[in-house]
Amino acid sequence: DGGITQSPKYLFRKEGQNVTLSCEQNLNHDAMYWYRQDPGQGLRLIYYSQIVNDFQKGDIAEGYSVSREKKESFPLTVTSAQKNPTAFYLCASSVSLGRETQYFGPGTRLLVL
Amino acid sequence: QKEVEQNSGPLSVPEGAIASLNCTYSDRGSQSFFWYRQYSGKSPELIMFIYSNGDKEDGRFTAQLNKASQYVSLLIRDSQPSDSATYLCAVKRSAAGNNRKLIWGLGTSLAVNP
Repeated sequence: DGGITQSPKYLFRKEGQNVTLSCEQNLNHDAMYWYRQDPGQGLRLIYYSQIVNDFQKGDIAEGYSVSREKKESFPLTVTSAQKNPTAFYLCASSVSLGRETQYFGPGTRLLVL
Repeated sequence: QKEVEQNSGPLSVPEGAIASLNCTYSDRGSQSFFWYRQYSGKSPELIMFIYSNGDKEDGRFTAQLNKASQYVSLLIRDSQPSDSATYLCAVKRSAAGNNRKLIWGLGTSLAVNP
């Protein structure tokens, strides 16, 4: 079955710690995206990638970093610079940046201890 | 004015009724419009997309697009309790290059009462 997987489902971060959220897709999609969802604020774009070894900042990239070394994988690191990381993190992919039908993974809920 | 606006709801309809969800957008040149359903605690799932003016039907769902009035709506016929969720509207900007991202509404909460 083709799809997008995210792990872990829940992640706990301590103060000053960097944590990495995993996103893998086997849909052969070129474009991948990371969103953050907070209650009452809707989906906000953190980073996106059109192709391997290329990625662009979204609307709220501060305190986050990404890599795209493989087509299938687009991990997101939440750094200690992100002061309010508690949120629901969603990874999505689409065939290409110009074809915007996006499909989502199940999400990772990040909580701060 | 937000780029994509939706009534937050909750919209409450009885089982079997038609639920009507509306979305307005500000970029007159927007080309692509998407409806997603999101159950509480879950990720969004695509219901349908529409590119051209008029109606597009898929089972119990109908998307309606009116570019002149800059709105897109989603009708759900024969609403079921399992349709109770938040419905997200997303619009693709007309700008070229890296600005061709989806802009998301905040969603409308729908409750279908048995």
